[in-house]
Amino acid sequence: QKEVEQNSGPLSVPEGAIASLNCTYSDRVSQSFFWYRQYSGKSPELIMSIYSNGDKEDGRFTAQLNKASQYVSLLIRDSQPSDSATYLCAVDTNAGKSTFGDGTTLTVKP
Amino acid sequence: KAGVTQTPRYLIKTRGQQVTLSCSPISGHRSVSWYQQTPGQGLQFLFEYFSETQRNKGNFPGRFSGRQFSNSRSEMNVSTLELGDSALYLCASSLDRGTYEQYFGPGTRLTVT
Repeated sequence: QKEVEQNSGPLSVPEGAIASLNCTYSDRVSQSFFWYRQYSGKSPELIMSIYSNGDKEDGRFTAQLNKASQYVSLLIRDSQPSDSATYLCAVDTNAGKSTFGDGTTLTVKP
Repeated sequence: KAGVTQTPRYLIKTRGQQVTLSCSPISGHRSVSWYQQTPGQGLQFLFEYFSETQRNKGNFPGRFSGRQFSNSRSEMNVSTLELGDSALYLCASSLDRGTYEQYFGPGTRLTVT
């Protein structure tokens, strides 16, 4: 079992819809959770961090964390074509080391 | 504030050679991590440096090494290059240990022929 697993893509949603990206992790002591966006040919860019159970909202993005279920998700409301990218979930499984999922590629169709 | 910079951006080497990649973190950031990204393996952690000391290491052979200088700049070295080392090498900096909001540089694209 991989330490961090993301729902396999690609994921395609129409413009204006809600995109839902999911991630599960195996290490129960994980404390910090991150979502990065990576456009094709570019490096990952941090878009959300979440540390405690519940929801965290930032503009059109909402991160949700459930430590009991070892689950973290990212919702993108009012999806735009510019949101088309690969989204990487990262989990801090040990101090100083982030483990990344394989990523989910999102395509938002106009 | 300037972002993370990496040099060179592109590199072509032949098997058996060695290569050194450089990373300058965001000013004030003290932790630097290195990752290898390939289509097949995704983003793989290489190592993390903090205060000039390697604090964590991923599952890579000893051919991969690194160091950090007193100004937090970091270098990684790959010796005896293999074809499988062709990848995008990413450096990420963060403010401190335990603060893992990482900011990535543009990467160095290494091609081994």
